[in-house]
Amino acid sequence: DAKTTQPTSMDCAEGRAANLPCNHSTISGNEYVYWYRQIHSQGPQYIIHGLKNNETNEMASLIITEDRKSSTLILPHATLRDTAVYYCIVRVGGTDKLIFGTGTRLQVFP
Amino acid sequence: EAGVVQSPRYKIIEKKQPVAFWCNPISGHNTLYWYRQNLGQGPELLIRYENEEAVDDSQLPKDRFSAERLKGVDSTLKIQPAELGDSAVYLCASSPRSNEQFFGPGTRLTVL
Repeated sequence: DAKTTQPTSMDCAEGRAANLPCNHSTISGNEYVYWYRQIHSQGPQYIIHGLKNNETNEMASLIITEDRKSSTLILPHATLRDTAVYYCIVRVGGTDKLIFGTGTRLQVFP
Repeated sequence: EAGVVQSPRYKIIEKKQPVAFWCNPISGHNTLYWYRQNLGQGPELLIRYENEEAVDDSQLPKDRFSAERLKGVDSTLKIQPAELGDSAVYLCASSPRSNEQFFGPGTRLTVL
C-alpha cells in the first residue's frame, strides 16, 4: 500500500489560502489520492479526490504533480471553521479501502 | 438527507464488561464500515460489509469483538469483555459504492 507523508501541523490566517502538501512517492498508476478532514469531535468528511488531473469542487482544489509523487490540497479562502485534521490518503488500487495516517492539523487563526 | 447515525455518542464502562455500538447508515448505501480511532491517530478499519456480508474483517480482533448486519441495513459492533486498551472512538461509515465514504459522529468509549 502506498504511504503518504504530511506535515504534522500548519497555521493559516483567516481569508488566506491554505496549501496542504502530501507526499506519496510510491503511488501506483491505478491509485487515487483522497483527502478527508476531521473537525474536532466529528467523523471524517470527504473533501476531494483525483487520479492524474487537477480537480476542483466547492470545498477545495487538488493539485497533483505530473509524476504523481506529491499533491497539494488548496483551501482558497480559509475560515475558522476549516480548523481540522486533514488526511491525505492513497486508496488501495481495486478496492475501496482507505488507510488513514496521522494527518495535518490545520489551525486557522483570526 | 439524514447522515450516518450512531448511538450512543458516549459510553463509559468498567473493564471486563460488555458493550455494544449501533449504526444506521445512509439509506440505500450497501457498504458499511466500522473503524476504530485511537487518540491522536487516524481511523483504522475493523470490518467492512457489502449488504449483510462481511467482506473484510481481517483487522477485527475476533477473540472479543463481533459485528453483525443482519438485514443489510443497520449494524451492531460488540466488545465482550472490554479491556482498558479498547478506549477509543468507534466510527461507522457507509458508501453507495466504492467511492466516497460518509462517516457518522462516532461513539467515544472509555473503559475504566
